[in-house]
Amino acid sequence: AQKITQTQPGMFVQEKEAVTLDCTYDTSDQSYGLFWYKQPSSGEMIFLIYQGSYDEQNATEGRYSLNFQKARKSANLVISASQLGDSAMYFCAMRDNQGAQKLVFGQGTRLTINP
Amino acid sequence: DADVTQTPRNRITKTGKRIMLECSQTKGHDRMYWYRQDPGLGLQLIYYSFDVKDINKGEISDGYSVSRQAQAKFSLSLESAIPNQTALYFCATSDGDYTDTQYFGPGTRLTVL
Repeated sequence: AQKITQTQPGMFVQEKEAVTLDCTYDTSDQSYGLFWYKQPSSGEMIFLIYQGSYDEQNATEGRYSLNFQKARKSANLVISASQLGDSAMYFCAMRDNQGAQKLVFGQGTRLTINP
Repeated sequence: DADVTQTPRNRITKTGKRIMLECSQTKGHDRMYWYRQDPGLGLQLIYYSFDVKDINKGEISDGYSVSRQAQAKFSLSLESAIPNQTALYFCATSDGDYTDTQYFGPGTRLTVL
């Protein structure tokens, strides 16, 4: 079974700094997908970025990039030039390739951007 | 307009009442999901549907039922609400492609008194 671990319950960063949110995963599958979602205080779950296990390059989407280290089973999210609007909970998730193909989520990291 | 919508956005109800949460999507996706999120926790899968005639239980389906009325509509019912069903409920959709990214609705905050 897949497992996602996010070891940073909370992070505080100054505006305009870069921030790295940690995510490690455990799976016995060779083919898998990793996702990051943002959940602001309003509650919605917003998709940010995807990384496939066979993707040769790290994924990037605007200010978001994913530092994918397959051998270490880590998929850290990097946010460049942080903004006040980046303050939110961030969840790392992996798709379970069996049955429902549900998303398995980590516990999340609460990111606070200080002005 | 939002691609995935949920109604109601907030609901307060009493123990024993039957409640229906509705989800509609304009993304044209075949796959739809219902998750619940408890405070401070990740999401747990309640039910999922890969097409109109395919309905499957997730990991916490007890006390819930669903209806897939059309490709675009997937409803979740709480047959007899109880206080520990107080949670944030999300509908999600995906198209089953290479990434199979799930896109979430805005959520329904349900409180059972």
